[in-house]
Amino acid sequence: EIVLTQSPATLSLSPGERATLSCRASQSVNSYLAWYQQKPGQAPRLLIYDASNRATGIPARISGSGSGTDFTLTISSLEPEDFAVYYCQQRKDWPITFGQGSRLEIK
Amino acid sequence: EVQLLESGGGLEQPGGSLRLSCVASGFTFSRYFTTWVRQAPGKGLEWVSSISSSGDNTYYADSVKGRFTISRDNSRNTLYLQMDSLRAEDTAVYYCTKAHIGAFTVGHFDVWGQGTMVTVSS
Repeated sequence: EIVLTQSPATLSLSPGERATLSCRASQSVNSYLAWYQQKPGQAPRLLIYDASNRATGIPARISGSGSGTDFTLTISSLEPEDFAVYYCQQRKDWPITFGQGSRLEIK
Repeated sequence: EVQLLESGGGLEQPGGSLRLSCVASGFTFSRYFTTWVRQAPGKGLEWVSSISSSGDNTYYADSVKGRFTISRDNSRNTLYLQMDSLRAEDTAVYYCTKAHIGAFTVGHFDVWGQGTMVTVSS
């Protein structure tokens, strides 16, 4: 099973600041990695698929990068609606796995 | 509008059964892998099961293998999850999801239902 480890567990920042979240895979997932955002009481929303492709309707301030085992989600300038929990997910091998999540909170 | 609508959750005793349904609309259901993902209260996301577009291939997490059965009826645009021998640790919100691309891949999950709560308790 491919284990995805996200860091940090919690990131405290202010609106307007830059956020960088990390996802490390226990073995290569090539570029088969996605990022999701989840707000309380809501279903997750796909942000980035296949490492660096923005999903429909996702603003340009949100970007993804990486390949192999190390991936990054960057939000260039935080808006109030960006404070949420973020998950990475791989589709390289069965079983599909998710990271444990990173919480982005307002400082 | 592309939508997934789950139903069938509720309270069930340990050892009991439930059947979840997910009705799809706004896209050609038969062209996409579909997947169940769950989230226990206060916890992260856990993949449960996926099924190919035709229904010929199914995949399960070890935690549910032998107890849960995924199926689909493409004529009714509906995905199912038959849940037997339920355990307390199956308590979660269950989401139905759709692959972001068609063809023969599970994809990532670009459309999610609102979720249905399953509670297993005596």
